[in-house]
Amino acid sequence: DTGVSQNPRHKITKRGQNVTFRCDPISEHNRLYWYRQTLGQGPEFLTYFQNEAQLEKSRLLSDRFSAERPKGSFSTLEIQRTEQGDSAMYLCASSLVSPWGANVLTFGAGSRLTVL
Amino acid sequence: DQQVKQNSPSLSVQEGRISILNCDYTNSMFDYFLWYKKYPAEGPTFLISISSIKDKNEDGRFTVFLNKSAKHLSLHIVPSQPGDSAVYFCAASGIIKAAGNKLTFGGGTRVLVKP
Repeated sequence: DTGVSQNPRHKITKRGQNVTFRCDPISEHNRLYWYRQTLGQGPEFLTYFQNEAQLEKSRLLSDRFSAERPKGSFSTLEIQRTEQGDSAMYLCASSLVSPWGANVLTFGAGSRLTVL
Repeated sequence: DQQVKQNSPSLSVQEGRISILNCDYTNSMFDYFLWYKKYPAEGPTFLISISSIKDKNEDGRFTVFLNKSAKHLSLHIVPSQPGDSAVYFCAASGIIKAAGNKLTFGGGTRVLVKP
């Protein structure tokens, strides 16, 4: 297993266009998270899935954002009608939740979005 | 509402000396605290964690200290090496279902270790 994979690594788009990011988590992991990171800030939680169920969405996730995880495997994050404020690094992470111990997330390298 | 804060945006230390990174939190329902390290163009990688029932956890050159009454934790790196130069994030998670086990991150501290 090569870890968490994200594609594309970098996307440049014009304001108003739609973009989609893909995340392939570690296969044994049952949870998948999306975070957003802007310059000089820490990662901010967007949403997470347990298997195929989307269990929580942050208020940061406006109705232009949608995330899916069909069949509990890979996940996609789509941003419709992009705005310049959407420019950020979008990080995907996965974890295997157990009843004990810290929930250690393994992150991918991220997908950087630049909206012109 | 920033529940996890890292008040020092940067830290510069000489190789071989100790690096001390600080983190404060406000939510008393956090039960696990983690430190992540991030190099440019890479995702954050897990470094070390501590449960709220402990006050110290050590792993090689890295030690995390937790002061629950002060809602404060720190990461000590001894001795610091040039390869430790990175951005370090403090993160916390809670056991309450509403908290979702998600990690809440601080803003990060950029560490520069000078040879």
